[in-house]
Parts: sequence; C-alpha cells; structure tokens
Amino acid sequence: KQEVTQIPAALSVPEGENLVLNCSFTDSAIYNLQWFRQDHGKGLTSLLLIQSSQREQTSGRLNASLDKSSGRSTLYIAASQPGDSATYLCAVRRNTDKLIFGTGTRLQVFP
Amino acid sequence: GAVVSQHPSRVICKSGTSVKIECRSLDFQATTMFWYRQFPKQSLMLMATSNEGSKATYEQGVEKDKFLINHASLTLSTLTVTSAHPEDSSFYICSARDHRVAETQYFGPGTRLLVL
Repeated sequence: KQEVTQIPAALSVPEGENLVLNCSFTDSAIYNLQWFRQDHGKGLTSLLLIQSSQREQTSGRLNASLDKSSGRSTLYIAASQPGDSATYLCAVRRNTDKLIFGTGTRLQVFP
Repeated sequence: GAVVSQHPSRVICKSGTSVKIECRSLDFQATTMFWYRQFPKQSLMLMATSNEGSKATYEQGVEKDKFLINHASLTLSTLTVTSAHPEDSSFYICSARDHRVAETQYFGPGTRLLVL
C-alpha cells in the first residue's frame, strides 16, 4: 500500500528565505507526482507535475525534483514571500487512477 | 490552467435532508472526475471515482447509497449526500483530469457542508 509522508509538518520562516519541502513515498512504481498548494478553506491549486521519467520541473520560483528510486521528491521555493503561506501537498499516482496524497506541510512566511 | 468549478461553495442543512453538490470542468472535457473529503487539518481522502456514462467506483468504507454520484456529461459530475447527518459535515472537493495536459488533475474550490 502506497504511503506518502511530508516533512516538515509545519514551517514558519521570515520572508526571503529559500525553502525545501520534502515528500517521500513507499512504493517507487509511480506514474507521476504532483505538488499542490491549498490556501486555508480553499481547494487545491496544481503547482508542478513530474512524470516518472523526469527528474525535475520548474515554474517561476518553484522547482520540484523527483528521485523515484529512493522514493523522494522535494519542492524548492526560492526567495519566499508572505503570499506563499499555504499548505503544500504532494500526491503520487500509480497506474491506477488514484492520487495518493501526502500529509501536507503548513507553511507560514512572515514579513 | 484548466478550471473546475463547484456549486454551492457552502451549504448548511438540517439533519435528514439531502444535499447535492455540482462539479463542472469549464474549459475541458473530463471523462474522469474524483470526489474527495477533507476534515480539518487533514489531507484529502478519496471517496469515489466518477466515470462519464458509467457507475462510479467507490473507495473502501464509503457508502455508495449514502453518497450518490452521477456523471451525466463530460463536464458535469454531481455528488448527493443523502439523509445527511452531523458527522457528514466536512469539506468536499471534486477534481477532474484533463487528458490533454499530461493528465494533470485540477481541483475545484470545494464545498463546505455543515449539517445541523
């Protein structure tokens, strides 16, 4: 059974810091991995999707890497801003249709 | 990116009533939609996978007679919570897969249900 864990569970940093959020999964036979952002009480916004054959994806200040063999992905946020404050979720998909979500990292960036 | 809408965004109802939640993909066709439930400070739990034109597939432990799903068109899926009880109060989120974009999954804004 696939289990997805995110570390840390919560993070509070001053504005401007570079951040690394970690995601680990127990079954390396994944189809793709997706990072999402969820603002409080809201739905999810897709940030980045990495196919199993890819090593990383970049979008603006965000960079996500994937090491499938070790069951890890990291989301790197450069020059963090207060507007980045949200919960970040990673999710993996196997060959079935299901997305299995991680436990989430609650990020707070203060001015 | 693609847009998924949900209606209503918030609903309060009395115990025993039924509530219908709509999920629409606005600018793409989605043969597959998903319904999730999220309790406070917890991650999303998949309830069921909704396939256009066929019966939904429910996850273990989710009562199909309690949570009725209808995926009548390529852009609309509905979730009906029948005979709602206070323990059904939760945040319900739908998602649709856009097969044109590496099968990225897009999520709706969620519906907060409060059963009194």
